[in-house]
Parts: sequence; C-alpha cells; structure tokens
Amino acid sequence: GAVVSQHPSRVICKSGTSVKIECRSLDFQATTMFWYRQFPKQSLMLMATSNEGSKATYEQGVEKDKFLINHASLTLSTLTVTSAHPEDSSFYICSASKIGSTEAFFGQGTRLTVV
Amino acid sequence: AQRVTQPEKLLSVFKGAPVELKCNYSYSGSPELFWYVQYSRQRLQLLLRHISRESIKGFTADLNKGETSFHLKKPFAQEEDSAMYYCALVYNQGGKLIFGQGTELSVKP
Repeated sequence: GAVVSQHPSRVICKSGTSVKIECRSLDFQATTMFWYRQFPKQSLMLMATSNEGSKATYEQGVEKDKFLINHASLTLSTLTVTSAHPEDSSFYICSASKIGSTEAFFGQGTRLTVV
Repeated sequence: AQRVTQPEKLLSVFKGAPVELKCNYSYSGSPELFWYVQYSRQRLQLLLRHISRESIKGFTADLNKGETSFHLKKPFAQEEDSAMYYCALVYNQGGKLIFGQGTELSVKP
C-alpha cells in the first residue's frame, strides 16, 4: 500500500501564532507533495507544490510568506501557517505520489482553528 | 484554462436506483482523469482512473473526449455509496490535480 500521514489531525491556535503541519509518506518516497485547502462541503483548492530539495511552487493568490513549505526529505513535507488569523481556519490536506506515478495518496487532513 | 466541472452539488437517490455523477473537463492536452471519493470522516481515496478502465465497487466511468466528459455511473446504488465524490484532472506529469467542486451522493433506504 501507500500511506500518507498528516500530523496533527486537529490544532487550535491563537491569532498571531504559527502552526506547523507535517505530511509524511510512510512506505514510499515522494519527490513531490501537494498541499490543498478544503472548505466545508467544497472542493480542494491546490495551494502549492512541495519539491524535495528545492523551493515550493505556489498557486496564484497563495502567499508564500504566510504558508511556508519545506520538503527536507523524500518522505516529509511541512506546511507552516505563519501569523495565523481566523480566516486561515480550514482543513488542510496533503497528497503524495510515488515516483513516476500520477496516482495521488492523501493524508487524513488537518483541521486548523485559529481563535 | 484547465477546469473540472461537476454541475451537481447534491444527488439524492433511493437504494437500488441508477446513479450518474456528471463531470466535464476543459484541458488542452491529453487528459488523465480520476474519480476520488471521501466517505464521512475518512480521507480522500482513489475510486477509479480512466486509463485503467476498471469497475470499482460497481462504479464505472468512461472518458468521452468528444463531449469532454467523464461521468461516473453505477446501475444500482447502495446506502454505503453515500459520500462526497470528486472528479479530478492531472495537470502535469508531476501529479498535480485539479478538482471539480464535488458532488455529495446520498443514497436513501
């Protein structure tokens, strides 16, 4: 199988603080991971492509200084929401694909609530 | 521009009825399309992909390039099919996905 694990699954933070979300591919290597944001009963919106060993690629309208992405190894990408505000509250989902494959495996998601 | 459209936000059917979840796409290249499903409180998971031409849990989907559609069908819906269904298009070889808005399927007893 191919398992992608996200941590934490839920986090509550105060406005103005930073939160780090981890995405790990447990049994395969992924040179590329993707970060999505999902609003309730709505679609997944791609935020950025996380590239191992290089800078992330952000989608239009996504602030790279606010959503810091680091892909330090072939099995780990992190998303840091900096200076969080209530409007950043959302469900964040990561995905990873095996090298050479287009099939995406998704993490269980992280529910971020900024109070 | 690349786009995936699922016109129905909610589809409600009775158990045993046929189901068709619509998906249309816009893509300049040769598309690779998927259906993903999200059951309640579970992660998104792959249901089927057009290149494999298989039937999963009784669901099938045929790519129609002329109509730019990839509708998901099942002849007899089951209650356990109730979930959110997302049609998705691979944007490039790296696996970047463009998702449709999603359709919530509700199968009533």
